[in-house]
Amino acid sequence: NAGVTQTPKFQVLKTGQSMTLQCAQDMNHEYMSWYRQDPGMGLRLIHYSVGAGITDQGEVPNGYNVSRSTTEDFPLRLLSAAPSQTSVYFCASGDRINQPQHFGDGTRLSIL
Amino acid sequence: GQQLNQSPQSMFIQEGEDVSMNCTSSSIFNTWLWYKQDPGEGPVLLIALYKAGELTSNGRLTAQFGITRKDSFLNISASIPSDVGIYFCAGRIYAGNNRKLIWGLGTSLAVNP
Repeated sequence: NAGVTQTPKFQVLKTGQSMTLQCAQDMNHEYMSWYRQDPGMGLRLIHYSVGAGITDQGEVPNGYNVSRSTTEDFPLRLLSAAPSQTSVYFCASGDRINQPQHFGDGTRLSIL
Repeated sequence: GQQLNQSPQSMFIQEGEDVSMNCTSSSIFNTWLWYKQDPGEGPVLLIALYKAGELTSNGRLTAQFGITRKDSFLNISASIPSDVGIYFCAGRIYAGNNRKLIWGLGTSLAVNP
């Protein structure tokens, strides 16, 4: 009964480092998305995918890359970490955009 | 960008009281979703709405898709301490091939036992 699995749960990076946040879902959902959550700003969409091989930008895509080679996985890459990217990152999946989105437990990322 | 206005921003109530919150927009929506987020966890879906005027309940929670399609409401009856958390609305704007959800900024609920 895994649902949406995000790894790691916590990460500390130095400015300029790169890393990949992993997201996997076992519900055969076509739609997957990445959000960041900052105090007082709610959830902001970074990138999303409507199926394997198809990705698009959300509200705050700069500094992040995504790919969707399989239905199950949707990794988020930070190319060169900056302190402004300190946040909690959530991955979500759903059958379609207008269907309920299921969230992972988040990755708490700090960039020094 | 497009915005959802969620209010109130925060509420502090006594156990047993009823709670009401809402989300409004200048745009027309075809989907409304209500989520609850507990500290340290991801949002969890409470109620999904797909038709104007639709009224759906989930236990003590009731949500409505506004008849104008520009708003939605969530009510919690007889609040209990475990209702504490942040409640978010999210919606999909009715516009062609729109593939994004728009989120409110959340209503933080505190319940005094």
